[in-house]
Amino acid sequence: DAKTTQPTSMDCAEGRAANLPCNHSTISGNEYVYWYRQIHSQGPQYIIHGLKNNETNEMASLIITEDRKSSTLILPHATLRDTAVYYCIVRGSARQLTFGSGTQLTVLP
Amino acid sequence: DAGVIQSPRHEVTEMGQEVTLRCKPISGHDYLFWYRQTMMRGLELLIYFNNNVPIDDSGMPEDRFSAKMPNASFSTLKIQPSEPRDSAVYFCASSLTRLQETQYFGPGTRLLVL
Repeated sequence: DAKTTQPTSMDCAEGRAANLPCNHSTISGNEYVYWYRQIHSQGPQYIIHGLKNNETNEMASLIITEDRKSSTLILPHATLRDTAVYYCIVRGSARQLTFGSGTQLTVLP
Repeated sequence: DAGVIQSPRHEVTEMGQEVTLRCKPISGHDYLFWYRQTMMRGLELLIYFNNNVPIDDSGMPEDRFSAKMPNASFSTLKIQPSEPRDSAVYFCASSLTRLQETQYFGPGTRLLVL
């Protein structure tokens, strides 16, 4: 599976949109982009995934660039409970998830 | 659905003792994964099962670690003998067969080996 690069940390004001970037320049055509998050002391939680089209669900939106070399996770109205480590994962045929270091998002009051 | 259930939630033991961690996957899920999380190495896969059969155990650190899945609703991860470097949070996750299916994680077992 392709490697991903994410900023180590980001801050966001409560109520504002949080935009978390991820670079995956070596992604191949059959690999999906997944986002999980881990709130302190809890297990990772699935957020969203996509192949090449933009995706939206009740938690977030995923924007994937046309060349698929990068993506952005958008939390439209961040709350304090969104403070967590966010993992961008590229996954092809492998069953397991390969976690990197992720981005520590801190939502500030 | 109760989600993935792990027990115990916390375990403190002394070096050399046997430790058994338990996992109940979500009913109907046929993939089960064991992950370990440490500050130094982050989240890493130890082993995963499909229909109770171990598929990939390349992440199991050494012979002191063993995992079993005697039936579709129960799995164990055993460490014998335990060492201080085994201190970590151990997560169990499960998913359905479809390749891009979401993995659902349990709350984890926080293990401290003294």
